[in-house]
Order: sequence, then structure tokens, then C-alpha cells
Amino acid sequence: GENVEQHPSTLSVQEGDSAVIKCTYSDSASNYFPWYKQELGKRPQLIIDIRSNVGEKKDQRIAVTLNKTAKHFSLHITETQPEDSAVYFCAASISGNEKLTFGTGTRLTIIP
Amino acid sequence: GAVVSQHPSWVICKSGTSVKIECRSLDFQATTMFWYRQFPKQSLMLMATSNEGSKATYEQGVEKDKFLINHASLTLSTLTVTSAHPEDSSFYICSARDAGERSPLHFGNGTRLTVT
Repeated sequence: GENVEQHPSTLSVQEGDSAVIKCTYSDSASNYFPWYKQELGKRPQLIIDIRSNVGEKKDQRIAVTLNKTAKHFSLHITETQPEDSAVYFCAASISGNEKLTFGTGTRLTIIP
Repeated sequence: GAVVSQHPSWVICKSGTSVKIECRSLDFQATTMFWYRQFPKQSLMLMATSNEGSKATYEQGVEKDKFLINHASLTLSTLTVTSAHPEDSSFYICSARDAGERSPLHFGNGTRLTVT
């Protein structure tokens, strides 16, 4: 089955700086890669996703890049703000099969 | 947008009792729902896939007789933790997706189960 690794497990960034979280996956058939933000005790919230026919996708301060050859994808958050502090999870699945495999999570702390 | 409602949000029960958690898709029909479990500071681990009108598909290592799943309608799936023990204490989250291959997965609010 699919295996998703995520790094780093914790990340502290000065407010205003950029944060990058990286994930690798094992199943070359995976073609859907969402990123979720989870605040303590709350549900994961989808923040951005990318499909394998696209190399990069951007939504305001958030961007995701995908390298299908290397089987890795990354989340980029620019101009970080305190409200960006949360745990971020990457995930991978095969379109049409909604079963998501999650990475181990990254606890992002934005230092004011 | 699509909303998934989960109830209860938290529950405390005694060891040996059973607990039922409900997951509803409020404004869409979901033939498939997913049940995840999340231990503190850990990732979400898929427990089972709930299929409307048929048996659930369980992930390896998940006891189907302990975690009973019923998906009787297109908007409701239930997870019953039977004979709960302290090690079953966890955050249980359901998810579902609106029709269409490109619809994102939506999560319920989660249920924090504490077994004393």
C-alpha cells in the first residue's frame, strides 16, 4: 500500500518568513495530493490540493509543488502569520479511490 | 460547501460499555464514508471504509467485531466501539466526499472518546 513520509515533524518560523513542509510517497499510481491544517482538537481542514497533471498550484500565501518523477510534493507558506500555527498533514490517494494515506504531520509554530 | 456532522463531540464511558458515534453528510449524499482514528500528537490512521448498503472494509489490524460500522443510508454512517477499554481512548473522525471524482474529502468535527 501507499506510504507517505513527511518532514520536518516540527518547524518554528519567524513571523513573516516562509515555511516549507515536504512529503514523499511510495505508490506511483497516486495522483491526488491534498494538504490539511489541523488546529488542536479540531477537524482537519483542506487548505490546498494538487493533482498529478499539474506541477504547481498557488492560492494566495499558500503554494504546493509536485515532482511526480521523484514522488515528492511540498507545501510552501509565505509571509507567515501567527494564525498559521497548527499541525499540517500531507496526504496521497488515487483519484476515484477516496482512501487517503496521511503523512505523520508537521507542527508549525509561528514566532511573533 | 459540503458539511459533515459528527456526534457526539466528546464522550466519557466506563470500561466494558459500548459507544456509538454518528457521522452525517448534511447537504450531500455519500455512498462512501471513512472512519479515522487519531492518537495524541499522531497522524490520522484509516480504520475502515463504510459503504452504503454493504459491509464495511476494514484496514489491517482493525477488529471488525470491536468497531462495528453501519451505513444504512446515503447520509448516515455509525461507528460503534463495543466493549470499550482505556486503550480505545482516542479521537475518532469520519469523512466523506460529495459526488464527483474531483470533490475534496470533508471531515467531521471528530469525537474524543475517553474510556475510564
